[in-house]
Formats: sequence, structure tokens, C-alpha cells
Amino acid sequence: NAGVTQTPKFQVLKTGQSMTLQCAQDMNHNSMYWYRQDPGMGLRLIYYSASEGTTDKGEVPNGYNVSRLNKREFSLRLESAAPSQTSVYFCASSEVGQDYEQYFGPGTRLTVT
Amino acid sequence: GQQVMQIPQYQHVQEGEDFTTYCNSSTTLSNIQWYKQRPGGHPVFLIQLVKSGEVKKQKRLTFQFGEAKKNSSLHITATQTTDVGTYFCAGGQGAQKLVFGQGTRLTINP
Repeated sequence: NAGVTQTPKFQVLKTGQSMTLQCAQDMNHNSMYWYRQDPGMGLRLIYYSASEGTTDKGEVPNGYNVSRLNKREFSLRLESAAPSQTSVYFCASSEVGQDYEQYFGPGTRLTVT
Repeated sequence: GQQVMQIPQYQHVQEGEDFTTYCNSSTTLSNIQWYKQRPGGHPVFLIQLVKSGEVKKQKRLTFQFGEAKKNSSLHITATQTTDVGTYFCAGGQGAQKLVFGQGTRLTINP
């Protein structure tokens, strides 16, 4: 039982490049989330998916797109990376609703130069 | 929008001293969760509080939810080096998502 997995672990991009961060969970959770973590800013929600086939914007969605590929997988795409998107990105999953604990993946450390 | 503020941002203690972090929301919360993140790691769920005035304990950790359900605290008694990390509160307000505080980073002098 791997929980929540994320790939890649590290990535360096040049400004303007694109990339997709992958996330998968094997806990049969309905809800999945993408956060970014910057020093002193805590965790900020980028997008979330309450269930398969639905996605909604979080606090900081600009510059990102997401795809809920199936119940297990939720990907985050940066179409044209900017230095301001340098951050650690965490994927999480939970049962439906904010009453359930969220399980986090190990994170992807992204640097945009 | 909903904001969750957490203080202090940093706390350094001697091993054996107590530690407290406070969480305040701009709006009434339906629940609050606490997470711990070890250096270089990912957030891990500690506990959830739901009821007004609720107090829960986990060994040396005591969690409280305020009467108005707008604030919460985490108190650690007699810290140990294993307590090092960043502690986050996260408030729910009847929606799918949680709003996280900025976290309190705890460092300990052994």
C-alpha cells in the first residue's frame, strides 16, 4: 500500500518550459488536492477534485491546469513556467469533504530559472 | 476569503520545555485539523477537532478548539527532540477544502 505517490521528486525548468506533475493514490479516495508550499506561506491550495470528473480552483490557480484522469490519478500542469512557480508541490487525497484527514505525497521540489 | 493565522512563526526551546502554537480564523470553522511536517518531509495528520470547546490529548500533546470555533491551540509538554518540525493547523468551513495556517516551526536545543 504505497499511499500517495508523486513524480518527479525534483525538477529544474527554464522560464517558459512546460511540465506535468503526476500524482496517484491507492486508497480509493474520492477527493484529491494540489498544494504549493513556500517558505513562511504554509500550504496553499492550487486546485482540488472532489470526485472523479470534477475539478475546482483553490486559492492560487493562476498559471496551472489540472486533470483528474481517473479516480487514482490527478495531474498538475504548468504550461509556461515562471520563476514565481519555484516551490515544493504536494499532492494529497482524502475521502470526500473537509471532515476527513488528508494524506500527503512526498512532494516535488520544482525550481524555475 | 477565509484566513487562518498561526503564531508564532518560529519557536526555539530547550529540550524539556513546553511549547504552544496558536491558530486563529477570520470566520467560524466547522472543524480544525492539525498536521506535523518533519524537516524535508510531508505533512502528516495529527488530529481533528469538531466540537466547540473540545480538548483532546495525545500523550504529551494537548489540542483545544475554542468556544466560538474560531481559534485553536496545540500544546506540547516537556518537548523532546522527536518533536522537531513544523506544525500546521487547517480549518474547514463546510466546503470540500481546508485552509492551512502558515505553520509554526519548532526547533529544540538538546
